[in-house]
Amino acid sequence: DAGVIQSPRHEVTEMGQEVTLRCKPISGHNSLFWYRQTMMRGLELLIYFNNNVPIDDSGMPEDRFSAKMPNASFSTLKIQPSEPRDSAVYFCASRGGFSGNTIYFGEGSWLTVV
Amino acid sequence: RKEVEQDPGPFNVPEGATVAFNCTYSNSASQSFFWYRQDCRKEPKLLMSVYSSGNEDGRFTAQLNRASQYISLLIRDSKLSDSATYLCVGRGFGNEKLTFGTGTRLTIIP
Repeated sequence: DAGVIQSPRHEVTEMGQEVTLRCKPISGHNSLFWYRQTMMRGLELLIYFNNNVPIDDSGMPEDRFSAKMPNASFSTLKIQPSEPRDSAVYFCASRGGFSGNTIYFGEGSWLTVV
Repeated sequence: RKEVEQDPGPFNVPEGATVAFNCTYSNSASQSFFWYRQDCRKEPKLLMSVYSSGNEDGRFTAQLNRASQYISLLIRDSKLSDSATYLCVGRGFGNEKLTFGTGTRLTIIP
């Protein structure tokens, strides 16, 4: 079974550049989450969607971050302009259907901003 | 104060030993709790849900104490493959948001 698919797996970019992270949730799941993980702060919820609608974006750090979910099978997280402090692992996760309360994470996008 | 707090460890435990982690939560409205496991450079994966009456899954036992607002995870007869970071997770009633602790790192020593 295909799990949550994220791309790119690794990205190194220069400060000021735009970064776009992509996610394909598990088919049939109606909730999608974007998390960020750092050593200092652990896993932080950035935003989540229900049925493609953003429900809570209170975790989005600032206006440089934006997320969209144009359809049930695709979401993007964009950082523009990127800064070194954005370096982290960004996880996408989905939930719904027969998974009940369980959320399933993708393998993460490892972002380094230099 | 973080909503979910854990001792970061590391816990270095000999193979075969029993190890226990605690986790405290500050939001009394939190209704559901879980333990996730995260291997090095991998994504978190659900280990087990935590029920009010306590629950067991093989060598793993989870307990919830609502009065004291803590959750525990007990691992018996630890294996080398148990080495990982264990994340305590809380969820509010009717709320999709999962709040993660920063994790407790466990290393099982041969």
